[in-house]
Amino acid sequence: SQQGEEDPQALSIQEGENATMNCSYKTSINNLQWYRQNSGRGLVHLILIRSNEREKHSGRLRVTLDTSKKSSSLLITASRAADTASYFCATEGSGYALNFGKGTSLLVTP
Amino acid sequence: GAGVSQSPSNKVTEKGKDVELRCDPISGHTALYWYRQRLGQGLEFLIYFQGNSAPDKSGLPSDRFSAERTGESVSTLTIQRTQQEDSAVYLCASSLDRGALNEQFFGPGTRLTVL
Repeated sequence: SQQGEEDPQALSIQEGENATMNCSYKTSINNLQWYRQNSGRGLVHLILIRSNEREKHSGRLRVTLDTSKKSSSLLITASRAADTASYFCATEGSGYALNFGKGTSLLVTP
Repeated sequence: GAGVSQSPSNKVTEKGKDVELRCDPISGHTALYWYRQRLGQGLEFLIYFQGNSAPDKSGLPSDRFSAERTGESVSTLTIQRTQQEDSAVYLCASSLDRGALNEQFFGPGTRLTVL
């Protein structure tokens, strides 16, 4: 079942701008992960934030987690054309597999 | 190999035929997952293998779907009597161990088209 819901569904920005994507989920989580997918194929893990963390950074990525609101955000700073992809949040509660949302499609134009 | 590999990369089949999809996980990864992704959608969990434990088949959509894994190596996903609604990208992932803190590494997927 899909637990995470990303917002917006699609986002178009220019190079150099920041991109913010949001994820909401329904049940309690151990952690939340963000993945990137190019051209509808394999996913690449970007960052994992644990339920007791509020913010995490990795290069140009910043992820926040608000467990009281059951939401997370992914910020990509100084975006590049190569950041064009679909971005998914994924949660794992008590199970082993990941529950993915439908993703945000990001387009970065030069 | 360096990453998870899947074959074939593309498969076109006729309705009613059986198909077999293959996944080679990263060496040493004990956990292996199969997901399905329909066009414009997120990933749906299908099945999970962990070492020699009984697999978690709770995501398989019907009894036409089955999967096998020998030890901690190759896995095959079989779809019998394919239907048009089976058309999707089938993604395999592996991780060092089960559980939330283990990053899942994905293969490039097999795009299945059922005519």
